Amino acid sequence: EAGVAQSPRYKIIEKRQSVAFWCNPISGHATLYWYQQILGQGPKLLIQFQNNGVVDDSQLPKDRFSAERLKGVDSTLKIQPAKLEDSAVYLCASSLSSGIHNEQFFGPGTRLTVL
Amino acid sequence: TQLLEQSPQFLSIQEGENLTVYCNSSSVFSSLQWYRQEPGEGPVLLVTVVTGGEVKKLKRLTFQFGDARKDSSLHITAAQPGDTGLYLCAGEWNAGNMLTFGGGTRLMVKP
Repeated sequence: EAGVAQSPRYKIIEKRQSVAFWCNPISGHATLYWYQQILGQGPKLLIQFQNNGVVDDSQLPKDRFSAERLKGVDSTLKIQPAKLEDSAVYLCASSLSSGIHNEQFFGPGTRLTVL
Repeated sequence: TQLLEQSPQFLSIQEGENLTVYCNSSSVFSSLQWYRQEPGEGPVLLVTVVTGGEVKKLKRLTFQFGDARKDSSLHITAAQPGDTGLYLCAGEWNAGNMLTFGGGTRLMVKP
């Protein structure tokens, strides 16, 4: 079974530039998550989708971050404009549903460096 | 905001030693998961514990959920270099809610 795919794996940009990340979840997984993991910390949830609807985006900095999952399958996360503090690994995860015991499968992440 | 605290943050031991990692909160979990993350990869689920007092074993790893479902521990027996990585606990407070991750314990096992 194919895992969660993410691209690109690495991205280096200058502050104030824009960047987009792509995620393709495991086939059949209705729930998709985007996390931000700053070096030395645990992942922090940015947004959770159930199919193509947003379940939770309370920790998404909406002035600069946006995410969509238009067809309920793959998803993109965008940052515009980027700040130095956005340097982190952006992880995508998926699960069968948002039901009980919520077991998530993670992609390899995109490492973003903002200069 | 529910917080999960993990301790220690860093642990460096010799091959063959035993170790315990802790995950604590003031809130009650509906479930708690342990993940292991290697450099350049996403976290991989090791175990989910649900019932207070539950103990699960995965080869040399033993996971325990506190009776009050507010804390958990991971014990590794006879650690090996292959156990090196970042160990993360993640709590779910209500079934179906988002996971909140602890800060992680970075383990290094030297041969």
